[in-house]
Amino acid sequence: DAMVIQNPRYQVTQFGKPVTLSCSQTLNHNVMYWYQQKSSQAPKLLFHYYDKDFNNEADTPDNFQSRRPNTSFCFLDIRSPGLGDAAMYLCATSRGTSVWETQYFGPGTRLLVL
Amino acid sequence: AQSVTQLGSHVSVSEGALVLLRCNYSSSVPPYLFWYVQYPNQGLQLLLKYTTGATLVKGINGFEAEFKKSETSFHLTKPSAHMSDAAEYFCAVSEDNAGNMLTFGGGTRLMVKP
Repeated sequence: DAMVIQNPRYQVTQFGKPVTLSCSQTLNHNVMYWYQQKSSQAPKLLFHYYDKDFNNEADTPDNFQSRRPNTSFCFLDIRSPGLGDAAMYLCATSRGTSVWETQYFGPGTRLLVL
Repeated sequence: AQSVTQLGSHVSVSEGALVLLRCNYSSSVPPYLFWYVQYPNQGLQLLLKYTTGATLVKGINGFEAEFKKSETSFHLTKPSAHMSDAAEYFCAVSEDNAGNMLTFGGGTRLMVKP
């Protein structure tokens, strides 16, 4: 029954070592989102895809990139993780970008940077 | 620009007591309002949302919220708290001209005492 799947649930990387987080969905939704949630803070949207169209938030650092090879999968690449990038990373999907469309969230991947 | 303020980062209630989590928003256009719940180490789950129509919205797990335009509020309530309600609750706002982009409040951690 899993709808939005994120692997791994916990990821440890070293300072400056590239890391990729994965998200997959079984909902066949058009839109996929990546959020960053630091400890005790609200989720912050990094970027989203509508189909293959990539939409970056203005204040998302260049260090963060994303790929969506097909409808089901979306990846978050952190090119050179810093200590400040330690956070929970949430993937979400929705059928469309209308405000009527509910976003469905995955369980998140908690990233630790050593 | 839209924003959300959640008064009280931590709220503690006794089991069986009323739950009241406060949310105020600012928006230049009629807002769309959401409450999400996040259990420990999990993603966000939609509790309820207001888009148009009836201002009192009922959600899952016995929660409801009332949109009060005059007070720019969307407080979340539940008549009787259960231990299983202990979680982090996020209020979010979206505007029609922002598509489905959510702006989250800072969150309120609800603790339920036996």
